[in-house]
Amino acid sequence: SQKIEQNSEALNIQEGKTATLTCNYTNYSPAYLQWYRQDPGRGPVFLLLIRENEKEKRKERLKVTFDTTLKQSLFHITASQPADSATYLCAPQDSGGYQKVTFGTGTKLQVIP
Amino acid sequence: EAGVVQSPRYKIIEKKQPVAFWCNPISGHNTLYWYLQNLGQGPELLIRYENEEAVDDSQLPKDRFSAERLKGVDSTLKIQPAELGDSAVYLCASSLGRVDEQFFGPGTRLTVL
Repeated sequence: SQKIEQNSEALNIQEGKTATLTCNYTNYSPAYLQWYRQDPGRGPVFLLLIRENEKEKRKERLKVTFDTTLKQSLFHITASQPADSATYLCAPQDSGGYQKVTFGTGTKLQVIP
Repeated sequence: EAGVVQSPRYKIIEKKQPVAFWCNPISGHNTLYWYLQNLGQGPELLIRYENEEAVDDSQLPKDRFSAERLKGVDSTLKIQPAELGDSAVYLCASSLGRVDEQFFGPGTRLTVL
């Protein structure tokens, strides 16, 4: 069955450093992969979408990579700030059929001032 | 422009009682999603609509859950009767199409006693 793995343990990093979050998937060949941010008590907020034929995508301090051979996506936040503290959700999307989006469990990031 | 609106924000009911959640998506968004989110988990899709049609309801427990999207705009999700295990946050999201970012509402936190 399809499986999406994100680090279940919280990631603590110092302000100004680069945070790297990992999303691994198995039994799956998504055509797209989305990343969302979720703050406590709120719904997820879309950050980036990357397609299978794109190796890398950037938006301001955010960078996402998509390696279909390794079945992995990496999400980077450079020059991290305390305001970046949140849970980050990876969401691969099927290529066919319903093109369903399936969310991972998320990784909680804590940026320490 | 208003985002996705959900009501109520919180609901506490006794088990075996019915409950309904309402969602108003972003104007012009054809696709509407209902998700369930448990603490520490990612959102899990219950049902997805494209206009008035439910195109993916494979994860909806149809013995007690029902949903409708009249006129392809607002949607209602109902549980009858509620069970203790239904306690969770119910999120509504909308998007322009299948491969587009999803915009989430704030969710309804349901507590079943």
